[in-house]
Amino acid sequence: DTEVTQTPKHLVMGMTNKKSLKCEQHMGHRAMYWYKQKAKKPPELMFVYSYEKLSINESVPSRFSPECPNSSLLNLHLHALQPEDSALYLCASRSRSQAREKLFFGSGTQLSVL
Amino acid sequence: AQSVTQPDIHITVSEGASLELRCNYSYGATPYLFWYVQSPGQGLQLLLKYFSGDTLVQGIKGFEAEFKRSQSSFNLRKPSVHWSDAAEYFCAVGDRSDKLIFGTGTRLQVFP
Repeated sequence: DTEVTQTPKHLVMGMTNKKSLKCEQHMGHRAMYWYKQKAKKPPELMFVYSYEKLSINESVPSRFSPECPNSSLLNLHLHALQPEDSALYLCASRSRSQAREKLFFGSGTQLSVL
Repeated sequence: AQSVTQPDIHITVSEGASLELRCNYSYGATPYLFWYVQSPGQGLQLLLKYFSGDTLVQGIKGFEAEFKRSQSSFNLRKPSVHWSDAAEYFCAVGDRSDKLIFGTGTRLQVFP
C-alpha cells in the first residue's frame, strides 16, 4: 500500500460548524504533514508531525487544530472557519523526518466555507 | 531561510516539442531539490529529486533535471512532450529540517 488516503474528498461547512479532515497511511511513515493550497497557488505548509509529535506549526490560526492519534492517522479539526479558509487541504507523509526523503501526497480535501 | 522561484507562470508547447521549466533557489548550503507535478484537483506526485552526487538526475515519465550550483538553478527538461504532461509543475526546496517549500508553480499547456 503506497497511498495516502484523505477523507472526505469534498466538504462544505458553515462558519459556525465543527468538522474534521482525516488522513491515513499504512506505509509506516513517521512524518506527516498538512498543507493548504489556494487555487492557482503553491501548497503552503501548516503543520508537521514527527513520530506523532507536533514538530512544526507555521503560525496557523487556532481555528485549525491538528491531531496525530497514532502513527497511521492524522486529523485536522476545524472550528469557526472563515470563507478565506476555503482551499484544497493536502496531507502528506514521508518515511522519516529527513529532508531528502520524498513526500507522498494524498488527493486532498476540497473545503468550501460558506 | 530557503526560497524557490519559478519565473514562468504559464508555458504552452506543442506535442512532441522539447520542454524546459525553470527553477531558481536561494539557500546557503547545498539544498535538497525536488520537482513535483499536480493534475487539477489532485495531490502532488514526485518527478525527481536531487540531494548530492551526479548533477543530472533522471525522473519518471521521461523527465530530467540538472542542478547548477553556480546559477542556483534546477531546471526541469523533457525532450518530447506528450499531451498527458499538461499539468502544474512545482519546484521545491528542503533544508535539514522537516520543511519543504514550494515555488509558485508553472502551468504547462500542450497543444496537439
